[in-house]
Amino acid sequence: EDQVTQSPEALRLQEGESSSLNCSYTVSGLRGLFWYRQDPGKGPEFLFTLYSAGEEKEKERLKATLTKKESFLHITAPKPEDSATYLCAVQGGRDDKIIFGKGTRLHILP
Amino acid sequence: NAGVMQNPRHLVRRRGQEARLRCSPMKGHSHVYWYRQLPEEGLKFMVYLQKENIIDESGMPKERFSAEFPKEGPSILRIQQVVRGDSAAYFCASSRNGRDSPLHFGNGTRLTVT
Repeated sequence: EDQVTQSPEALRLQEGESSSLNCSYTVSGLRGLFWYRQDPGKGPEFLFTLYSAGEEKEKERLKATLTKKESFLHITAPKPEDSATYLCAVQGGRDDKIIFGKGTRLHILP
Repeated sequence: NAGVMQNPRHLVRRRGQEARLRCSPMKGHSHVYWYRQLPEEGLKFMVYLQKENIIDESGMPKERFSAEFPKEGPSILRIQQVVRGDSAAYFCASSRNGRDSPLHFGNGTRLTVT
């Protein structure tokens, strides 16, 4: 069964303390891996798409990387406004669906 | 530069009533997806539509739920005879080229069944 597992479930960091969020997946024929940010009461906001192992994308303090089994979202010197839930999704498998993980709740303390 | 628009933002229905959720995709997008989200749960796929066609409804419950995306107007997710277990946030997303492009989400409709 195609699965997406995100860890940790929740993460508290001090402002400026860099860290990484993990997204591991099992899907045959990966067509794309997506990262989203979701704020309370809002819909997910698209951040990155990664298509193949070794690919990296960057946006401000965020960098996403991809291997054959997992993706990392690296957060460098985070600020309180980076606090949100970060969602990972993969597309692939027999029916080509886009499957979401449960997310990592990130809280950056000032 | 309007994004995906969903309305209403909040909807309260009594058990047995009907709920209608509306979604207007981003300009230039003709592919619409509906997802459901429960607290502490991930987004669960429900249905994928193009104009006038249902492409994949494998995530939709077989009874009481239906979706449409007419030639003119918004996509509609309809839930008949709602039950308490239908309470959730329902998100609509659109994309330009279907499954080869990222989804862009609206801010959801929060359905509460009393």
